[in-house]
Amino acid sequence: NAGVMQNPRHLVRRRGQEARLRCSPMKGHSHVYWYRQLPEEGLKFMVYLQKENIIDESGMPKERFSAEFPKEGPSILRIQQVVRGDSAAYFCASSLVYRTYPYEQYFGPGTRLTVT
Amino acid sequence: GIQVEQSPPDLILQEGANSTLRCNFSDSVNNLQWFHQNPWGQLINLFYIPSGTKQNGRLSATTVATERYSLLYISSSQTTDSGVYFCAVDDRDDKIIFGKGTRLHILP
Repeated sequence: NAGVMQNPRHLVRRRGQEARLRCSPMKGHSHVYWYRQLPEEGLKFMVYLQKENIIDESGMPKERFSAEFPKEGPSILRIQQVVRGDSAAYFCASSLVYRTYPYEQYFGPGTRLTVT
Repeated sequence: GIQVEQSPPDLILQEGANSTLRCNFSDSVNNLQWFHQNPWGQLINLFYIPSGTKQNGRLSATTVATERYSLLYISSSQTTDSGVYFCAVDDRDDKIIFGKGTRLHILP
């Protein structure tokens, strides 16, 4: 009964390169959320997706960032032309339901992105 | 939007001590969770507790929704309890808002 899986765990990119972060939700979960954690801070919501749909991307920067959750395969968070300020830990969470309380989000181990 | 404040920001205790961590939130919530982020960065669900009291071993939590706060109690602290404890609530748009956390350091 695997939990939320994320890969890679660590990713180093030079400025201007692209970063792709992957997230496989828990078995049976169809709701995926991405969060960003800057050093010494709490997690900040970025985007919420269901299969093939972006439901809420209000926390995601308008430029360079995109997310998808295809019918088959993991959810992908893509950052184009990375800058040093993108260095952070990116966490993915999944839940069984949404807006039907109670519900819990379960988090993956995170991907630590370092931009050099 | 909803504000989540956690206190204290930092806490250093000797092994065996007890502690109380507090989470205040500025509006009514439907959902409240406590997480432990260990020194390796992993987020571990501790409690889902929008109201009432729950216990799990040495940890317990109480949320008083009408007064907009939640408390996390850790008894007989162990060094493995070190890390950052986050409180997270749902805002009116059902997005989860995290507090800035309480950084706990347990000394052997």
